[in-house]
Amino acid sequence: NAGVTQTPKFQVLKTGQSMTLQCAQDMNHNSMYWYRQDPGMGLRLIYYSASEGTTDKGEVPNGYNVSRLNKREFSLRLESAAPSQTSVYFCASFLVSGAASLNNEQFFGPGTRLTVL
Amino acid sequence: RKEVEQDPGPFNVPEGATVAFNCTYSNSASQSFFWYRQDCRKEPKLLMSVYSSGNEDGRFTAQLNRASQYISLLIRDSKLSDSATYLCVVNQAGTALIFGKGTTLSVSS
Repeated sequence: NAGVTQTPKFQVLKTGQSMTLQCAQDMNHNSMYWYRQDPGMGLRLIYYSASEGTTDKGEVPNGYNVSRLNKREFSLRLESAAPSQTSVYFCASFLVSGAASLNNEQFFGPGTRLTVL
Repeated sequence: RKEVEQDPGPFNVPEGATVAFNCTYSNSASQSFFWYRQDCRKEPKLLMSVYSSGNEDGRFTAQLNRASQYISLLIRDSKLSDSATYLCVVNQAGTALIFGKGTTLSVSS
């Protein structure tokens, strides 16, 4: 049981290049999320998928697209990278959105550290 | 007004001290509440859920005040290993978790 995995762990891009960040979870969770974390800004939600087949914008969706490929996989695409997208990107999954329970933990992947030059 | 607000700190305390963090949230429809811990350059991990009646897990106690829209975390007998950033998190049904910016704790010997 690997939990939430992300690839790559590190990436350097030039302005204008495109790339896809991959995320997969093996916990049979319904909901998956993409966040970015910048110094002093905390975790900001980019996009989320409450269930397979649905995606919704979060707080900072501009410049990104997502695909919920199946229940396990949720990818984040940067079509034309900009220096403002330099950040640490975290993928997360959650069993049941909105329910407070001892077992309802949101699990995070280890993050992708992206630098755009 | 930010949806979830926390004092960023840093809180610098000696080993053995008791320290409390507070958090306020703006959306009264929020249904579930959590404290997450994040170590430097690592992913956040769940520390504890917060229940209306309050709950305790060893040295950690979480409280929720729905009327004041206020959540707290109390850490007793601080250890060096408690040094981290503590994130207050709220959730409404069918939406994503909303994270506060975090409170940094540094415990020194």
